[in-house]
Amino acid sequence: NAGVTQTPKFQVLKTGQSMTLQCAQDMNHNSMYWYRQDPGMGLRLIYYSASEGTTDKGEVPNGYNVSRLNKREFSLRLESAAPSQTSVYFCASSEAGGFGYTFGSGTRLTVV
Amino acid sequence: DQQVKQNSPSLSVQEGRISILNCDYTNSMFDYFLWYKKYPAEGPTFLISISSIKDKNEDGRFTVFLNKSAKHLSLHIVPSQPGDSAVYFCALERGQLTFGSGTQLTVLP
Repeated sequence: NAGVTQTPKFQVLKTGQSMTLQCAQDMNHNSMYWYRQDPGMGLRLIYYSASEGTTDKGEVPNGYNVSRLNKREFSLRLESAAPSQTSVYFCASSEAGGFGYTFGSGTRLTVV
Repeated sequence: DQQVKQNSPSLSVQEGRISILNCDYTNSMFDYFLWYKKYPAEGPTFLISISSIKDKNEDGRFTVFLNKSAKHLSLHIVPSQPGDSAVYFCALERGQLTFGSGTQLTVLP
């Protein structure tokens, strides 16, 4: 099925470990996004890529880095994980701008 | 400072009745207002939207109302069905989406 694929679905990290969350879309969308969802906080934008070759910070970028590898793939990296980064991470894509996102099913990350 | 607020974390409604979900915002510079629906262990899915130049948009059982003077957005679901039980997020668009904190709707059979 066409859509946004995120891997892994679940991950447990120890404080200080690093990892990369992968995201790929097959809808030929230009824009891609990484959000985190925390209880009572809704979805907060971490980083986005308006088009291939560009990335920009969102509302909560500290502690994260991103790479827009090509038009299909947008990865999120935690260099030194902290318990405050325990969250559910969602990747999304859209044709252009912020209208009509398609979301992946999420990655549940726990940092202990 | 939160730009988008959903002040009701949860709402319970009887099947067949109307569900009204509310959203308030502080910044008037948004172009589109959207509602997303989220089931457990899934990503949010787009439900309905309204342009900033309109005050109402309908799609089947779902109607979104925009009151720009009050900076208030609402989603009406009529009639509510048990399958509508989910978390509903309002989102405001200006380049990217800014989401509210969500409201858990439970429709009781």
